[in-house]
This record gives sequence, structure tokens and C-alpha cells, in this order.
Amino acid sequence: GAGVSQSPRYKVAKRGQDVALRCDPISGHVSLFWYQQALGQGPEFLTYFQNEAQLDKSGLPSDRFFAERPEGSVSTLKIQRTQQEDSAVYLCASSLGGDRAVVAAFFGQGTRLTVV
Amino acid sequence: QKEVEQNSGPLSVPEGAIASLNCTYSDRGSQSFFWYRQYSGKSPELIMSIYSNGDKEDGRFTAQLNKASQYVSLLIRDSQPSDSATYLCAVNDGSNYQLIWGAGTKLIIKP
Repeated sequence: GAGVSQSPRYKVAKRGQDVALRCDPISGHVSLFWYQQALGQGPEFLTYFQNEAQLDKSGLPSDRFFAERPEGSVSTLKIQRTQQEDSAVYLCASSLGGDRAVVAAFFGQGTRLTVV
Repeated sequence: QKEVEQNSGPLSVPEGAIASLNCTYSDRGSQSFFWYRQYSGKSPELIMSIYSNGDKEDGRFTAQLNKASQYVSLLIRDSQPSDSATYLCAVNDGSNYQLIWGAGTKLIIKP
């Protein structure tokens, strides 16, 4: 596609439910980022993939959060046993390059997760 | 803890004037600096990057970096109502893939 695509756009989950958020990056983009953005705040880094390799997962807030990108294109962020504090917008971004000075160049429209 | 600070605003500027947005960062080792624009309910959009001291111009936008003062700014000339958005500053120290973000400054351009 022309841009980064995320689905679903909105997700309401009951506390304790597992959710899976999908990101389809721009074709050919090596770098893929997941960010979490709370209302009125800047995004917070969750994890980074370079192709299929997860090179940095230090931002994942707990072991309930898991991300994968098995074929180096589509990525899935999974949250197990959702809690109310997980409510936020989850942003995916991709970039063409894979060097260390990489920047999150193109963002998807985000998935707004509400845990009730 | 590495921090990026921005005035939350709102900053109100008349149409046609220069809007000046400021950002300070705590990590002296920071190497890469970025400005993003985020419209309400939308995702961030990268508008400028700067890596060395001085000014970098791109159309109506100018980014200014002063590493000694740990300060980066964004100037928007000839401000338009369509520039009304939240502007986010983000910083990378070059040792990893993480951007540290400020909370953003809300800019309002008054017609």
C-alpha cells in the first residue's frame, strides 16, 4: 500500500482479554517501530524491528506485551490479560533504512485501545 | 532518566507571523533531533530533522540546534491556519533505536 496501515482502528477489550494489533508497513521498509501514546503525551517507544529481527524490546512495559514480525513485513503487537492502564493509542511506524540513526519516518493511523 | 521538555501551550500566533517552538533535552550525548506535527486525532508526521549545530531550512520551516545549550527550536514563517497542530520534539542519542519524545506544544494560528 501507499502508507503504513494499522488494524483495527479501534478496539474495546474487557479487562483480562488478550488483543492483537496489526501493522502493515510500507513495502520494502526495513525498520518498524511500535509506540504507545497516552492522551496529551508524546509517544513512548515500545520495540524496534530491523527486518524480522527484534533488535530492541526494552520499551515493552511488561511480559504481557509481545511483538513479532516473522517475515520482515507485517508486524503484530499482542497484549495478554489487558489492564486498564493499557488503554492508549498504539502507533506503528516504518522507515526505509536500517542504520543506527534511524528515525520513525512514516506512522500509521494508530489503533486506539480502550480496556473496560 | 533522559527527558525532553516542551511548553505545552497553547501558543497562539496571528496568521502570517512567525511561530517559534522550543524544546530542551537532558542527555548531552543526544545526536539526532526531530520535529513532528500531529493534528488532533491523527498520527505524528515528520517535518524536520537536524543533526548538527546551526540552522536548517526547509520551505517555511527552520530548525535550530544548539548542543551546548541542549536546545532545539522550530520556526514557522508566514504561519497559516493549517499549521495549527501539536508539535512534538524527539531526540535520539545514537546508541539505540529509541526516540525520546516531548509531550508537545499546541500551536494555534489565528486568522
